[in-house]
Amino acid sequence: SAVISQKPSRDICQRGTSLTIQCQVDSQVTMMFWYRQQPGQSLTLIATANQGSEATYESGFVIDKFPISRPNLTFSTLTVSNMSPEDSSIYLCSVARLAGGEQFFGPGTRLTVL
Amino acid sequence: SQELEQSPQSLIVQEGKNLTINCTSSKTLYGLYWYKQKYGEGLIFLMMLQKGGEEKSHEKITAKLDEKKQQSSLHITASQPSHAGIYLCGADYRGDYKLSFGAGTTVTVRA
Repeated sequence: SAVISQKPSRDICQRGTSLTIQCQVDSQVTMMFWYRQQPGQSLTLIATANQGSEATYESGFVIDKFPISRPNLTFSTLTVSNMSPEDSSIYLCSVARLAGGEQFFGPGTRLTVL
Repeated sequence: SQELEQSPQSLIVQEGKNLTINCTSSKTLYGLYWYKQKYGEGLIFLMMLQKGGEEKSHEKITAKLDEKKQQSSLHITASQPSHAGIYLCGADYRGDYKLSFGAGTTVTVRA
């Protein structure tokens, strides 16, 4: 398995501001992803965090709103920009190793936008 | 319509009884993942299935993937309060580890 930490675990923010969420893994992994879980909903994939290059975004998500960095194989950040109450969600990072195919999730960051 | 359907949406089971959750895809799966989530928390990886007809077990939980690779079931034997939570199935359709999730099944275990 992989040990994944996320910071912050939760935050309450004002609309119009931005929040950067960090994801740290205890070992090098090939694939890292960011998901969003809106209240009462299931998970939706936001983007794939690519090491050393621009993230790959899913339909409905754009870089200006959710800029992502991945400077190395163990760390990634997701920024939620110009927040509105509709951005209130749990944001989770996940990692996958090509060998075995297992995919593990971080504990999540619970964001509330007022 | 949804690509991935999970059923039931919720269920209540008496402690010690068995339960089954189903996950049905409208397309052939490359891989199917099962997770458990406690309210508002991260996902706990349970099992991943890739081969048609595959079956995996861990402790009292068994997951199966049908031969056509479009349907999976998760079976819990002799349920305990620790089995309560939300169970999610996630589908990998292209072998790229990008998961599409079902709506989830909320399991309540009554003592």
